[in-house]
Amino acid sequence: GESVGLHLPTLSVQEGDNSIINCAYSNSASDYFIWYKQESGKGPQFIIDIRSNMDKRQGQRVTVLLNKTVKHLSLQIAATQPGDSAVYFCAENGPGGSNYKLTFGKGTLLTVNP
Amino acid sequence: DTGVSQDPRHKITKRGQNVTFRCDPISEHNRLYWYRQTLGQGPEFLTYFQNEAQLEKSRLLSDRFSAERPKGSFSTLEIQRTEQGDSAMYLCASRVLQSAGELFFGEGSRLTVL
Repeated sequence: GESVGLHLPTLSVQEGDNSIINCAYSNSASDYFIWYKQESGKGPQFIIDIRSNMDKRQGQRVTVLLNKTVKHLSLQIAATQPGDSAVYFCAENGPGGSNYKLTFGKGTLLTVNP
Repeated sequence: DTGVSQDPRHKITKRGQNVTFRCDPISEHNRLYWYRQTLGQGPEFLTYFQNEAQLEKSRLLSDRFSAERPKGSFSTLEIQRTEQGDSAMYLCASRVLQSAGELFFGEGSRLTVL
């Protein structure tokens, strides 16, 4: 069936290290992907997005990579900081894209150790 | 604050009671979405509006759930005859139709049904 999932439910890194959070998706027709960060007790916060016609997109300290061949998405955070500790969700928008009814994965808990 | 606003932030109710949540989207955002999030899971799409029109409601969890956006601005989500399984975070998000696709989420309304 159609699903978005994560390879690692938890990730613990040292402050200053780079973090990589992975996500697998199964709907090959999905054309838009977003990474959200959610801190405890708060709503999801947009980090970065990427369209299916791109392989890579960079933001401030973050990079998203899209591998359509294996239907894999990753979020790279450079020089991870304690404030990056949160749950990270990938989300996909299926075909018929303008509705933007996002399907979310379960999330990865990132813990940054000082 | 010009973000998505939700009220109340927390609601504790007894089983069988009705509850209503309100969402005020970002001004001029014509698309409004409701999601539900249970502990440890990603947000789950419920319904969405374009202006005052509810364009999809098939994902509402049961006929006890209903949503309105009467004037195309704020929206309400009502749950009638609440059950313990309704306990969750109810998230509202909005976006401009013509935008790239990012959804702006509110902080959510947490419901606890005793």
